[in-house]
Amino acid sequence: GQQLNQSPQSMFIQEGEDVSMNCTSSSIFNTWLWYKQDPGEGPVLLIALYKAGELTSNGRLTAQFGITRKDSFLNISASIPSDVGIYFCAGQLQETSGSRLTFGEGTQLTVNP
Amino acid sequence: SAVISQKPSRDICQRGTSLTIQCQVDSQVTMMFWYRQQPGQSLTLIATANQGSEATYESGFVIDKFPISRPNLTFSTLTVSNMSPEDSSIYLCSVDKGYVDYTFGSGTRLTVV
Repeated sequence: GQQLNQSPQSMFIQEGEDVSMNCTSSSIFNTWLWYKQDPGEGPVLLIALYKAGELTSNGRLTAQFGITRKDSFLNISASIPSDVGIYFCAGQLQETSGSRLTFGEGTQLTVNP
Repeated sequence: SAVISQKPSRDICQRGTSLTIQCQVDSQVTMMFWYRQQPGQSLTLIATANQGSEATYESGFVIDKFPISRPNLTFSTLTVSNMSPEDSSIYLCSVDKGYVDYTFGSGTRLTVV
């Protein structure tokens, strides 16, 4: 079953606002990934985190790998209408073999112009 | 990252029939995966497609229902067999280029009527 708790499930914000979403788990992860999915498309990788405590930015996006290796957050600054979509966290569990990913339930982001 | 071509992009099928989905990658990759995304839900791993051997299926998914082929390092197929309306989902191919560099295809949107 699903082992990642992602919140919030949905967000409705005004253009220009900052956004924050996070994922937590009771299990330890080796890697955290953040994806965005537009309607009718597959998920696109936004940021990958490989080390506990790592803080990585990609333009207006910033993500961190929690020190405990059980959580991660994604921040989007100065949101714009094209930020609309579903954001998923995903991780590679320490105890799983191979490179299989576990996905969070997703955060549906709506940006009002 | 890898470029993935997934076909068909969408299909409407009669219950009881089967559909084969193709995934072509522009470079050789070791790891290929098939995911299912039910309406409004997150991604669930169906199986890992192994080149030269049987696929490795996740709990709740069986080879008779979802046979997978992986004839070489750039191509895989997933068949959804004896379909029912509950199989209506988006099916996604994914590859790992190494160091958890996951890329997804654009998906196949399947509707079973």
